[in-house]
Amino acid sequence: DTGVSQDPRHKITKRGQNVTFRCDPISEHNRLYWYRQTLGQGPEFLTYFQNEAQLEKSRLLSDRFSAERPKGSFSTLEIQRTEQGDSAMYLCASSPTPRTSYGDTQYFGPGTRLTVL
Amino acid sequence: GQNIDQPTEMTATEGAIVQINCTYQTSGFNGLFWYQQHAGEAPTFLSYNVLDGLEEKGRFSSFLSRSKGYSYLLLKELQMKDSASYLCAVGKESGAGSYQLTFGKGTKLSVIP
Repeated sequence: DTGVSQDPRHKITKRGQNVTFRCDPISEHNRLYWYRQTLGQGPEFLTYFQNEAQLEKSRLLSDRFSAERPKGSFSTLEIQRTEQGDSAMYLCASSPTPRTSYGDTQYFGPGTRLTVL
Repeated sequence: GQNIDQPTEMTATEGAIVQINCTYQTSGFNGLFWYQQHAGEAPTFLSYNVLDGLEEKGRFSSFLSRSKGYSYLLLKELQMKDSASYLCAVGKESGAGSYQLTFGKGTKLSVIP
C-alpha cells in the first residue's frame, strides 16, 4: 500500500463554483479525517468518518461543505458556491482502529491545494 | 479549548542539535504528536508520546511532561533536509469516538551550512 492518496493535487476555481475532492485512505484503515490548512497555520480538523458513518463535524464546516464516505473506503469532500476564503490546502488522513485506549497515529495524504479566484 | 504554542522560526547549523519546544493547555489529552512538514507537502509522522518521558527514534527524540503541559522535539546531527516545519499536535478523544488532533502553528526550522 502506498499510503493515503488525494485527487486532484491542485484545483483553481472561480468564486461561486462547486468543487469536489477525493481521498483514498490506507486500505483497512477504518478512520478517515479531513483537515484544512492555511498558510502559516497548522491543520484544522473538519470532519471524521468511522467506516461509512460521519460521526463528527467541526463548526468550521459550514453548510456549503459536505463530505461522504459511501462504502467506508474512499471519501469525497464537496464545497458548494466557493468563496475566496475557502482557498487552502485540504488534507485527508486515515488511521486504524486504536489498539489501546489511547489514540493511534494519523497518516496524511499529499493534500489538495484549492485556489478560489 | 485548546491552546498550543511553539516558536515560529528557528535556525540551526548542519551537524548541530536543536530542540523545538511546545507548550499546551487543553481540555483533554490523549497523547502528543510531532509531525514534519516540508513546504507544500503533507505532514509526516515523527513521534508520539502519551506517557511522561523521552521517546527516542534515531536522530529524533521527543519528550513529554503532562504535569507541565510541555513537550520538546530534539533533532540531532542536523542535515540540510531537516529544513521544514515541525508541528506539535495534541490528541483528544471526543465523545463521538473520533481522535482529533489539534495542531500548533508549526515551527519553521532552517538548517544552514
